[in-house]
Amino acid sequence: GENVEQHPSTLSVQEGDSAVIKCTYSDSASNYFPWYKQELGKRPQLIIDIRSNVGEKKDQRIAVTLNKTAKHFSLHITETQPEDSAVYFCAARNSGTYKYIFGTGTRLKVLA
Amino acid sequence: ETGVTQSPTHLIKTRGQQVTLRCSSQSGHNTVSWYQQALGQGPQFIFQYYREEENGRGNFPPRFSGLQFPNYSSELNVNALELDDSALYLCASSHGGDSTGELFFGEGSRLTVL
Repeated sequence: GENVEQHPSTLSVQEGDSAVIKCTYSDSASNYFPWYKQELGKRPQLIIDIRSNVGEKKDQRIAVTLNKTAKHFSLHITETQPEDSAVYFCAARNSGTYKYIFGTGTRLKVLA
Repeated sequence: ETGVTQSPTHLIKTRGQQVTLRCSSQSGHNTVSWYQQALGQGPQFIFQYYREEENGRGNFPPRFSGLQFPNYSSELNVNALELDDSALYLCASSHGGDSTGELFFGEGSRLTVL
């Protein structure tokens, strides 16, 4: 069935270092890949997304890359700050369907 | 522009009881999706409503049901509650005409079943 695997489950980095979170999806018809940030007790919020016709997208310190052949996509955060600490979820959606398949989440801790 | 609001924020039920969770969609959005997020897991799709009709369902039993009203608000009903139903229930609204269907989540309703 449809599945999105996400790694690592936890990630600790020093402030100022980079963080990378990777996801793999199974449905080859997936064409939209958002990333959500969820702080403790808060709602998931979209931080960046990428469509299947693009290989890379950047927004200030955050970037996402997509490898359609390998069905991989990754979130890159540079110059991490303590406020980046949260749980990050990747997701995949097939535009012909209505549902998002989420990864299991990565708890990122940025150490000051 | 108002965001997605959910009620109640927290509730405790016992096994076998029934629960109704409510969601008001973001202004201008006509589609509502419900997700279940167990502790330490990603959100799992329950179902989606578009123009008052269910137009997609995940792998959840029939005791999970829902409604969408003419103002696009929605309810999630769960009958015969089980311990494993304990989770954060997230409502997300989107605009059906948006090709990405970007989801805007509410803060969630945390259900504990004892």
